Formats: sequence, C-alpha cells, structure tokens
Amino acid sequence: DQQVKQNSPSLSVQEGRISILNCDYTNSMFDYFLWYKKYPAEGPTFLISISSIKDKNEDGRFTVFLNKSAKHLSLHIVPSQPGDSAVYFCAASVTSYDKVIFGPGTSLSVIP
Amino acid sequence: GAVVSQHPSRVICKSGTSVKIECRSLDFQATTMFWYRQFPKQSLMLMATSNEGSKATYEQGVEKDKFLINHASLTLSTLTVTSAHPEDSSFYICSAREGKRAEAFFGQGTRLTVV
Repeated sequence: DQQVKQNSPSLSVQEGRISILNCDYTNSMFDYFLWYKKYPAEGPTFLISISSIKDKNEDGRFTVFLNKSAKHLSLHIVPSQPGDSAVYFCAASVTSYDKVIFGPGTSLSVIP
Repeated sequence: GAVVSQHPSRVICKSGTSVKIECRSLDFQATTMFWYRQFPKQSLMLMATSNEGSKATYEQGVEKDKFLINHASLTLSTLTVTSAHPEDSSFYICSAREGKRAEAFFGQGTRLTVV
C-alpha cells in the first residue's frame, strides 16, 4: 500500500517555464512533507519542506504548496533550468522525528 | 545543508561474504539514522530506522539477521549485509537526522554488487 504517490513518472518542461510536480498521500496522520532531488548513483538532496500548519513555503525558485484537505502537495520550480533535470521525490512523515516515507519519484527534464 | 558521508561508494563482493557500509554525519549529531534500498528505476524503500544507542527498528519484510545495523555513536551508523547473495545487489543509501528536525540528509549511496 503506497502511502505517498507521485502519479507522473516523468515530466518535460521548457527552460524558463514553470515545473509543477505533484504528490498525493493517503495517510492523514502525515504532518511533515519534504521534497528531495536525486541524480543517478547519488543520494537524494533535500530541497524544501513544509509542515501541516502551513499551506505554502518558498525558498528561492522552489515553492511547495500543501492542500491538507485534499491530501495533496505540489512543488513549483520557476524558472526551470536545465540543471534542475533530475528525479524528484516527495516524502512524508507523521512527526518531525518519525520515519520518512518516499513516493516513487518523478523524473523532470528541463529542455534548453 | 548538513553533510552525511557514506562509504564505500561502490563495492563488489563474492556470494556468501559480508559487506559493511558506513554512514557518518560530519557536522551534526545524528540522533536518528535511516537505511534505504533502491532498485533500478524504483523508489527508496525504507529498510530500518535506528536511534543512537538503541536497537534498530526494521520495516516489514526486512530480515534483521541479514541486514545488521549498528548505531553506536551520534555520528556513525553501519549496515552490514551478511552472507550476501546476488539478489542483495542494490543501491543502499543512509540518511541522518538531528533531534526533531524534519529534514533528513542523505549520504552518497553505496552500489553493492554481489557476484
């Protein structure tokens, strides 16, 4: 039973445009959500997080939106750059110190 | 961000032997460490969670006697794959978290190939 879902396995975006990566979850107990970026044969790199008391968190070109009633979150990257091409994982945990459960990932390609 | 160093990055071993993978937090105290496994083109599968000084908590389906986890200090955790078999070949990744922070930081991963 997949608790964190990323229904789009891949996404292609033109350089300079907005990339929107979506994530849905089933466990209503999740309170912390994180986004990671991963290149092949490397460990994931933390990008941005959000707690359930917020609906938006912004860090530079990255913004995460949380809709708790819909159990949905999204990561917006604007403007997209070719260096953003990677696999993006959505992750969630029940508390800030609980285990982190990852979604299957979305492979983003930013086309120059 | 915080730095987590994982070693070795790549290892090839013979079937039946054991392999130890180290995970170190370099600039923070890792009160909790996580070990993941990733198969090609699949997500990160959590294997176990370990808190410093305590026994690891294994996820369902993960053999604790096969994947030995030690978290003896606040900066070091080790995963030992015992009696490795070709089906254990995978990409193993550790992550570490300080206190009650939500963010966990990852090591570079270890590519294990069992021949």
